Amino acid sequence: AQTVTQSQPEMSVQEAETVTLSCTYDTSESDYYLFWYKQPPSRQMILVIRQEAYKQQNATENRFSVNFQKAAKSFSLKISDSQLGDAAMYFCAYDAGGTSYGKLTFGQGTILTVHP
Amino acid sequence: NAGVTQTPKFRVLKTGQSMTLLCAQDMNHEYMYWYRQDPGMGLRLIHYSVGEGTTAKGEVPDGYNVSRLKKQNFLLGLESAAPSQTSVYFCASSLAPQGAVYGYTFGSGTRLTVV
Repeated sequence: AQTVTQSQPEMSVQEAETVTLSCTYDTSESDYYLFWYKQPPSRQMILVIRQEAYKQQNATENRFSVNFQKAAKSFSLKISDSQLGDAAMYFCAYDAGGTSYGKLTFGQGTILTVHP
Repeated sequence: NAGVTQTPKFRVLKTGQSMTLLCAQDMNHEYMYWYRQDPGMGLRLIHYSVGEGTTAKGEVPDGYNVSRLKKQNFLLGLESAAPSQTSVYFCASSLAPQGAVYGYTFGSGTRLTVV
């Protein structure tokens, strides 16, 4: 079974600075998808960024980028120019795609605090 | 607004009581999922459905039942609630099995407390 591990229960960053959230996963598949979701206090799950394993280029969405290391099974999220609105719980998630019926496997989550 | 709607948003149950959580989506999605979120454990899949009239077990199905009588609705039932079922429950849907490609839509969650 696939597993996703986020080893940082909590992280903090000063406003305007950069922070990196870590995620590792375990899979025997060669093609899959990885995600970072943001969950603010409202509980809404918001997709931050998505990476397709067969694409070597790291995904980027404005201030959010990933460092995808397929061989190491590592998928970290970098938030640049952090803003107060970035404060939330962040989840790393894995989707095997194909015949997995689209079931997501989530990591434990990392609480990000942004200090003004 | 299109999306996934969960009812209720909050509920307190006594041990042994039963209840049903309703998930409704208006996007004509085939696939629907129920997750539970617990501190330090992320979201875990309870049950899922790949179409009207079909359901299947996920990672943590014990103590729950589901039904998908209509394509737009996915119900999660607790027959005899236990304190271990205190959690936040999320419903999600996707257009196709490759939700990763077409996107998942999540509801805003139901906070359930069993005392």
